[in-house]
Amino acid sequence: EVQLVQSGAEVKKPGESLKISCKASGYSFSDYWIGWARQMPGKGLEWMGIFDPDDSESRYTSSFQGQVTISVDESVSTAYLQWSSLTASDTAMYYCARQPGIVGDEVRDYWGRGTLVIVSS
Amino acid sequence: DIVMTQSPDSLAVSLGERATINCKSSQSLLYRPKNKNYFAWYQQKPGQPPKLLIYWASTRGSGVPDRFSGSGSGTDFTLTISSLQAEDVAVYYCQQYYTTLWTFGQGTKVEIK
Repeated sequence: EVQLVQSGAEVKKPGESLKISCKASGYSFSDYWIGWARQMPGKGLEWMGIFDPDDSESRYTSSFQGQVTISVDESVSTAYLQWSSLTASDTAMYYCARQPGIVGDEVRDYWGRGTLVIVSS
Repeated sequence: DIVMTQSPDSLAVSLGERATINCKSSQSLLYRPKNKNYFAWYQQKPGQPPKLLIYWASTRGSGVPDRFSGSGSGTDFTLTISSLQAEDVAVYYCQQYYTTLWTFGQGTKVEIK
């Protein structure tokens, strides 16, 4: 069974750094990309970017380019989302998601349960 | 980035009645070599991650009731709930996966009238 287990909620101060994680299991980690989405309080889903194992590159949507870093550690089947200096506007729920796959004749999607990040002085 | 625009932003429908949500993409999502639209609908309930409802614009996801249907091609797509049930109260998002840099619509909140 494919599972994505995200790290726990974080409360940080503006200017602090943060790295949250998404541990994958139940499949070959390097066969599928993993991406991250942001959901600010009461708002919609925003796709942030992915780590593509095909070329070992991280790609970001325009809104998040230069704002965060997506990385993976294949040895522990874990993806990360990192900030070097948080601001209050980073307060949100963050979801990781695996590249959808075909199971039988269906496409299946896989999401973590989310990590709540609160940035407040 | 491809821009996805949904309408309406919210919708109140009586139980058993039809709900229709529209989505427009800033560029065609039809990949002609495979004749497939790289377009999906997601449902999100409070406190939960999104759930895939429809993919390839019109194929229902695993376990999705047949009252949900998707239609459209190219840049214009529609999600229809043929007979709204109480458990369908949620926010619905359209999404393009034409590129790995997905984009979502702004969401449509569906409520019971």
